[in-house]
Amino acid sequence: LAKTTQPISMDSYEGQEVNITCSHNNIATNDYITWYQQFPSQGPRFIIQGYKTKVTNEVASLFIPADRKSSTLSLPRVSLSDTAVYYCLVGAQSYNTDKLIFGTGTRLQVFP
Amino acid sequence: EAGVTQFPSHSVIEKGQTVTLRCDPISGHDNLYWYRRVMGKEIKFLLHFVKESKQDESGMPNNRFLAERTGGTYSTLKVQPAELEDSGVYFCASSQDRDGLQYFGPGTRLTVT
Repeated sequence: LAKTTQPISMDSYEGQEVNITCSHNNIATNDYITWYQQFPSQGPRFIIQGYKTKVTNEVASLFIPADRKSSTLSLPRVSLSDTAVYYCLVGAQSYNTDKLIFGTGTRLQVFP
Repeated sequence: EAGVTQFPSHSVIEKGQTVTLRCDPISGHDNLYWYRRVMGKEIKFLLHFVKESKQDESGMPNNRFLAERTGGTYSTLKVQPAELEDSGVYFCASSQDRDGLQYFGPGTRLTVT
């Protein structure tokens, strides 16, 4: 599975838009890009998934350029409750392959 | 609908002892996965059950770890004997389909002293 690279941490303030970029230079043709969110003392939780261009749901947007070598998770108007670790995963088929491969993730801290 | 549950939430044992972790997947989910994150490391895959069969156990670290899923419902992960490096958080996840979305439990924090 393609290796991903994300910033280790990011800080933001309430009400701001947060963009977390993930690099996946070796992404394969049939790989999907999936983002998970993890709060302290909880397991990872699916946020959004995409293959190309843009995907939007009630939680976030996912932007994927034409070459698919990177992707950007966009969280609009973050609140304190968005403080969490965000993981970018790349794998084949929808919702990844059988085993999810997690990277280091990006620790987002939202300040009041 | 109840989510994935894990028991206990936290376990503290001494080196050499045995610990058994339990995972109850979402009802109807045939696929069950175990993952763990040891201190300072990334979340790593351990193994995957489809019903009661082990589909992939390539992530199991060694033979001190034994996972079972009798009857294809809940699963247990036994560590015997536990070593200091086994300390970490053990997550269980389940999915309805093999390539379906995986739902994670809250994890069991294991501390080996």
